Formats: sequence, structure tokens, C-alpha cells
Amino acid sequence: RKEVEQDPGPFNVPEGATVAFNCTYSNSASQSFFWYRQDCRKEPKLLMSVYSSGNEDGRFTAQLNRASQYISLLIRDSKLSDSATYLCAVNLVNAGNMLTFGGGTRLMVKP
Amino acid sequence: DAEITQSPRHKITETGRQVTLACHQTWNHNNMFWYRQDLGHGLRLIHYSYGVQDTNKGEVSDGYSVSRSNTEDLPLTLESAASSQTSVYFCASSVSGQTEAFFGQGTRLTVV
Repeated sequence: RKEVEQDPGPFNVPEGATVAFNCTYSNSASQSFFWYRQDCRKEPKLLMSVYSSGNEDGRFTAQLNRASQYISLLIRDSKLSDSATYLCAVNLVNAGNMLTFGGGTRLMVKP
Repeated sequence: DAEITQSPRHKITETGRQVTLACHQTWNHNNMFWYRQDLGHGLRLIHYSYGVQDTNKGEVSDGYSVSRSNTEDLPLTLESAASSQTSVYFCASSVSGQTEAFFGQGTRLTVV
């Protein structure tokens, strides 16, 4: 079993839809969590950190469920420009400052 | 603006050749990382460094080496390039003690 797992998708949604992705991680003592966005043939870019109490940035909401060992990303009012691959990243316990990445979930927003 | 840059952006090399990919950051970050990204495998850690003269092996380090002689640079060397090392390589950096990492634009390497 991979230490950080995501559904690869693709998730095909119409503009304006709400879509959510989950990311599961293997170790309950993991410390920090992030969502990255990666456009085709580009580098991953930090989208947002995930805080224990959940956090929101505009149309994006990130949540952490420690009991079930997953993080989620909710995108409201999807835009065409949201089409990308979303990578979750976890700092696993005893991993120093390293991040372990999930394989990514591809989102395609259609007109 | 501070940034992290990789060079070259694209490279084609022959099997058996030694290749070095450059990574340079101007954020003064102590932590630097090299990942490779392949379809079906996502981002996998090759090597990392937490400061000058510090280097460590990651998940897929065989056939690769790094050196850290200053804060700004972490070059990645493929000792004898193999076709299995055809991939997109990303360098990343983060502040000491922090895990939030920032990536360079990537180097697309093809070994023929």
C-alpha cells in the first residue's frame, strides 16, 4: 500500500459545479499536509496548506480528518481554469522536512 | 524576486553518459530536494539536503548523486545515464524546519 494515495480520476465536471477530492495517508502521526496544483508539463505549485481545524481560501476548502487519515480539497463554483492535476503532500512521521506526494487527481472542468 | 531555477529545461543524452542537472535557488533555503515524476509513479524523492555538505538518499537514489557546496545549489548527477532514467526532474526547496516546498520549472530528460 502506498503511503499517500489519491484517486487518479479524471474527474469531469461542468463549470459551476462543486467537486471534492480525498487523499489518504498511512501514518496517523503525520504532521503537515498540503495541496499542490500542477498544470500539464509544469511544476507543482503550492495551492494551500491543510490545518487541523480546516481552512478556506476563496473557492477552495481544505480539511483534515485525523481519525480516518485523510485530507480533502473542495472546490466550489468550478472554473475552466481549475482544470489541472491536484497533488496532496504529507510530511510523514520521522521524515524530517520531506514531503511524500500522492499520485495526483486530475480535474477537467468542461463548459 | 527570489526564485528557484533549473537548467537545462530539456536534455537528450545517450545511454552511459554522465549528466548533471542544475538547480539554483535564491531564497537562502537550507532544504533542497530532487524528485522525479513519471506516469504511474507520481513524484518520487531522489536525494535531499538540509544544508551545506549535507546530502541524503531518497526513495529512488540508485544511479544518482548530489553535492551541496553552497546554500544556493544542489546539482543532480546521473553517473551513467540509463533509459530508465528518462523522466521529468523537479528540484524543490524549503525553509529549514519547514515542510512547505517550492518547485523549479523542471528538466525533461530523455536518455536514448
